[in-house]
Amino acid sequence: GAGVSQSPSNKVTEKGKDVELRCDPISGHTALYWYRQSLGQGLEFLIYFQGNSAPDKSGLPSDRFSAERTGGSVSTLTIQRTQQEDSAVYLCASSFDRGNTGELFFGEGSRLTVL
Amino acid sequence: DQQVKQNSPSLSVQEGRISILNCDYTNSMFDYFLWYKKYPAEGPTFLISISSIKDKNEDGRFTVFLNKSAKHLSLHIVPSQPGDSAVYFCAARVYGQNFVFGPGTRLSVLP
Repeated sequence: GAGVSQSPSNKVTEKGKDVELRCDPISGHTALYWYRQSLGQGLEFLIYFQGNSAPDKSGLPSDRFSAERTGGSVSTLTIQRTQQEDSAVYLCASSFDRGNTGELFFGEGSRLTVL
Repeated sequence: DQQVKQNSPSLSVQEGRISILNCDYTNSMFDYFLWYKKYPAEGPTFLISISSIKDKNEDGRFTVFLNKSAKHLSLHIVPSQPGDSAVYFCAARVYGQNFVFGPGTRLSVLP
């Protein structure tokens, strides 16, 4: 497809289990972002990949969270030993930065529910 | 400390009137700003952007104004339509860094 694709769209898991969320960005986009939106909250930055540069991980809330981007394309966000406070919609976005322009194109999100 | 603030959690406007959504920021290094609209159960969709070298950008019914000295930007929607009812986020970034989003304003356009 032409847009950012995320899977799964919905994930229900038990506390303590690991989960993986996948993001397939728009082809050719050099930048990839992960955000999350908890119920009633705004968009919280998690991690940012730009080309071959080291990712900006400053938004990851704990060391249970990690992300990788293979081959400059698909990204996987992994949450280990999930907690109930991890429940949120996890949003992936990509962009093709041209100097100081380049809006983010978001996927539909992966809704994670930790029981 | 929130770098991007949207102090109005919600706003109601009559159809056909102007909607004005406000956003304030604290980081003077921000040089690119975006507005997004989000419907429930969907990802945010891009509306309009503005670079810090401009003070106004217009696209159809949407106009964004930037006041750098006040560290303030606003989104004007004229005329407002019921389909504009959504949550609106402003976002800002320092060149080469991640985008910081505000908490959002829920706009309701009443028929």
